[in-house]
Amino acid sequence: DAGITQSPRHKVTETGTPVTLRCHQTENHRYMYWYRQDPGHGLRLIHYSYGVKDTDKGEVSDGYSVSRSKTEDFLLTLESATSSQTSVYFCAISEPTVNTEAFFGQGTRLTVV
Amino acid sequence: AQSVTQLDSQVPVFEEAPVELRCNYSSSVSVYLFWYVQYPNQGLQLLLKYLSGSTLVKGINGFEAEFNKSQTSFHLRKPSVHISDTAEYFCAVNLYNFNKFYFGSGTKLNVKP
Repeated sequence: DAGITQSPRHKVTETGTPVTLRCHQTENHRYMYWYRQDPGHGLRLIHYSYGVKDTDKGEVSDGYSVSRSKTEDFLLTLESATSSQTSVYFCAISEPTVNTEAFFGQGTRLTVV
Repeated sequence: AQSVTQLDSQVPVFEEAPVELRCNYSSSVSVYLFWYVQYPNQGLQLLLKYLSGSTLVKGINGFEAEFNKSQTSFHLRKPSVHISDTAEYFCAVNLYNFNKFYFGSGTKLNVKP
């Protein structure tokens, strides 16, 4: 398995509070992604990064921000969590110079109450 | 713009029967194509991928998929399913030169004894 660790694995938080999810990789892959998975929608891209300090928005970026200060870490922040952000969040990595696919973490289940 | 459409949200099938999970895509640029599998409470694992060359690709666990350029389809097949194949399956595209992955909404395969 690719070395991808997401933390925390489960979190319950209250509406309006900030939340940060962490993705840590040991593969030295350049690209990192945050997706959210919701029933009937599959996986939707929130933000992605193509290098340290290089990030861009995905399809559903409103309400989320990201940061990548080191190759191995990609943080996803919900500035003020809402119930609509209750979801399962997946981190993925890829390195196109080595292979063409993405490798996924185990996911973080976030519940906003 | 690009999109990935999985035509069936759920597919029930009896054990040892054949199955086909359908995927169509649209994209203004060339793409790589993938099928991933997700078992309950886990991340996504790569089943198979199409990059170029032979349009029939074989993957793990006896699955195969056929790329049809004229129909922009990439259907997944297995000649004889097992109970252990019960999972959710996702079709995905990776855009050339952008390294961004887009996913379909998923198909839940339910194999019955």
